This record gives sequence, C-alpha cells and structure tokens, in this order.
Amino acid sequence: SAVISQKPSRDICQRGTSLTIQCQVDSQVTMMFWYRQQPGQSLTLIATANQGSEATYESGFVIDKFPISRPNLTFSTLTVSNMSPEDSSIYLCSVDGTVSGAFFGQGTRLTVV
Amino acid sequence: DAKTTQPTSMDCAEGRAANLPCNHSTISGNEYVYWYRQIHSQGPQYIIHGLKNNETNEMASLIITEDRKSSTLILPHATLRDTAVYYCIVRAQAGSGGSNYKLTFGKGTLLTVNP
Repeated sequence: SAVISQKPSRDICQRGTSLTIQCQVDSQVTMMFWYRQQPGQSLTLIATANQGSEATYESGFVIDKFPISRPNLTFSTLTVSNMSPEDSSIYLCSVDGTVSGAFFGQGTRLTVV
Repeated sequence: DAKTTQPTSMDCAEGRAANLPCNHSTISGNEYVYWYRQIHSQGPQYIIHGLKNNETNEMASLIITEDRKSSTLILPHATLRDTAVYYCIVRAQAGSGGSNYKLTFGKGTLLTVNP
C-alpha cells in the first residue's frame, strides 16, 4: 500500500491568484496522477506526472493553467493558476499500486471567491 | 468516456448483502475490472479487482460473468459506513504501461445503506 499526503486539505482563494497543491508519497513511484472532482461530479484526470519528464495532460487541460512539477519519485505539485470560481473543485493526487489498484490522497478542497 | 455502465443509485438494508452491478461489454482481453468507492469528502478507496475469475477479499467479493461483459460487486453484510459512491472501472493492470493504465471514472452508483 501507499500513503499519500496532500497539502493543503482545503483553501479559499481570491480569483486571479494561484494555488500550489503538494502531494507526498511514502514510497518511490514512477507515475503520479492528478484528478479534479467538480462539485457533484465524478473524477476527471488532469495529467500524469513522470519523474524527469514533462507531465502529460488530458484533453481540456493545459500546462499554463495547471503546471505540474515532479522533482523526485516521492513528490509532486499541481498549481491552479489565475483561478476563477469555475476552478472550485476537489483536487486529488493518486499513485498506482504494484498489485492492487490505485491509492488516492484525501484531496484538496478549493473554493475560489 | 467511461467504458462501464452502472445504476445511478441503490438502497440496501443494514446487515443485508449489497449487490452492485456493472456492465462492461467492450472490455478488452487484457483489461481488468476494478472497483473503488468514495465516501463523502474522502479520496477514492480501492476495493477489489479481477480479470476473469471471481475474487474475494476482506472487503468484498467480485463476480465476473464468463463472457466478462458484466460483473457484480458484493458487500456481504452492508453497514452504514458502506454508504458511498461505488465506481466500476476497466483498465489494464498497473505497470503494464501505455495509455491504457489510466483510470476513467464514470458516475458510479450511490449506495445508501439504511438502518
């Protein structure tokens, strides 16, 4: 199993500002995944972050809006840039298990006012 | 788009078995069936997965039809704490590489366990 810690757990931000979300894993992993869950909706994959390479973004998500860093095998950050109220969501970090399924952090609940 | 179809919601009485169906008629030969659940305000939690044989662990049982086009997650003795959204997902096994490692979440089934 993997233990994932996300910071902050929640935040209220002003529109036009940026927020960086941190994800720390207790073991080394090749791929880390960032998801968004809008209010009342299911999870949508934003991007896949591999250590040592550029993140791979899903359709509808761009690096300028959601820059991702992956400096080592246990850590990643997701920045939500130039925020608007539409960015209010839960953002989740995830890693794959080697045998079982994926593990998820508890999420960062973002409210943009 | 999600490759699975699940009922939007289900109810179950506490102590009874909860049987959650999932259709995945376009599943590929190398794809597994994974089940996750998301309790309100928490991150999704892995429950169980299988390829073609029935599987059981401490949380649940997974029954996969012989043609692999559908499956059922069984919670043998549902409790109030099992109230959650349950997601059925098909994908290649972790570590297999390529673009088919991604988890594509559908809307899932909201299971409500009633006292």
